[in-house]
Amino acid sequence: GQQVMQIPQYQHVQEGEDFTTYCNSSTTLSNIQWYKQRPGGHPVFLIQLVKSGEVKKQKRLTFQFGEAKKNSSLHITATQTTDVGTYFCADLYGNKLVFGAGTILRVKS
Amino acid sequence: DAMVIQNPRYQVTQFGKPVTLSCSQTLNHNVMYWYQQKSSQAPKLLFHYYDKDFNNEADTPDNFQSRRPNTSFCFLDIRSPGLGDAAMYLCATSFRTGGSSAKNIQYFGAGTRLSVL
Repeated sequence: GQQVMQIPQYQHVQEGEDFTTYCNSSTTLSNIQWYKQRPGGHPVFLIQLVKSGEVKKQKRLTFQFGEAKKNSSLHITATQTTDVGTYFCADLYGNKLVFGAGTILRVKS
Repeated sequence: DAMVIQNPRYQVTQFGKPVTLSCSQTLNHNVMYWYQQKSSQAPKLLFHYYDKDFNNEADTPDNFQSRRPNTSFCFLDIRSPGLGDAAMYLCATSFRTGGSSAKNIQYFGAGTRLSVL
């Protein structure tokens, strides 16, 4: 079945440093969605990417969808302590989301 | 505010004792999902309802069942909980129109953390 690989598993950064998490698949991704889950919380939808090569920004967050629709990335510029949590990418496959394993972000102040 | 509500937030049960988790939504979404999430792992889809149509994942154990009596409510029944079933259970909803799933954003409830003693 569809599989989405996500790296790194874990990243610990100093406040103000940048952070990037990557997702890739051996097959073409349909629509990539990104979710954030705060510690002890539930996943919250951030954004959806549909088009090849698409780039979207939300304040300090930049989301990209690869030209071949086989990879995606989330980049956070100048991390803040409020950015801590786990970031999941997910491929929309019919009615279902196929989640990547997630990247746990910790920010040292 | 429209939302997805899960009750209870914490549930403790005994090994082998049936337990039911509930989910309600005020979003009027036609798709409802149940996920199991263990520590430091991604949510794992157990099953979902698209309107009244039940869709079970191939690797979901028979021990897990679900009911959706109406649009707003969905229940997860664990018939004989084992120690390995201790996890966070997340309910989510989405709205799908026609043949397009391009707007299938999922809205998650706060989850029920299940402990099995």
